Amino acid sequence: KQEVTQIPAALSVPEGENLVLNCSFTDSAIYNLQWFRQDPGKGLTSLLLIQSSQREQTSGRLNASLDKSSGRSTLYIAASQPGDSATYLCAVANFGNEKLTFGTGTRLTIIP
Amino acid sequence: NAGVMQNPRHLVRRRGQEARLRCSPMKGHSHVYWYRQLPEEGLKFMVYLQKENIIDESGMPKERFSAEFPKEGPSILRIQQVVRGDSAAYFCASSHGTLNTGELFFGEGSRLTVL
Repeated sequence: KQEVTQIPAALSVPEGENLVLNCSFTDSAIYNLQWFRQDPGKGLTSLLLIQSSQREQTSGRLNASLDKSSGRSTLYIAASQPGDSATYLCAVANFGNEKLTFGTGTRLTIIP
Repeated sequence: NAGVMQNPRHLVRRRGQEARLRCSPMKGHSHVYWYRQLPEEGLKFMVYLQKENIIDESGMPKERFSAEFPKEGPSILRIQQVVRGDSAAYFCASSHGTLNTGELFFGEGSRLTVL
């Protein structure tokens, strides 16, 4: 059974700093891994999708990496801004079924 | 191109009543998924549907919960005889194809409160 862990559960960082969010998963037989952002009381916004054959994906100030063999992914946010404050979720899609398994998220606060 | 639309956004029910949550997928998407987010917990898969078919309902409670995605109209998640433990945010997501081919796009969620 796939388990996804995100550490830390909460993170506070001064504005302008670069930061890394971590995601680990126990079953490496995955199609892909997706990073989402969730604002309080809102839905999920897809940030980056990494296919199992890829090592990383970039979008603007965001860079996500995937090391499938070790069961790890990182989300790197450059030059953080107060608007980046949100909960960041990673989710994996496993072979053999159509369900995403989510981590419990990292609640990020950027301090102005 | 409108995103995934869910309604109602907020729903209050008393114990024993029925809750119906609706989801219209993105245009061109024929795969619909429902997830539940309990307070202070992560999102959990409930059910995966394609038009007129339930493909995987392994995450859905066996009693009181049902889902459909008819040929015409939105997908419906129905909860009968609601209990306080059903209070949660229910998210619908859609995709163009199966998960191995593309991204999943989520709606804003329907927040159910059971009094």
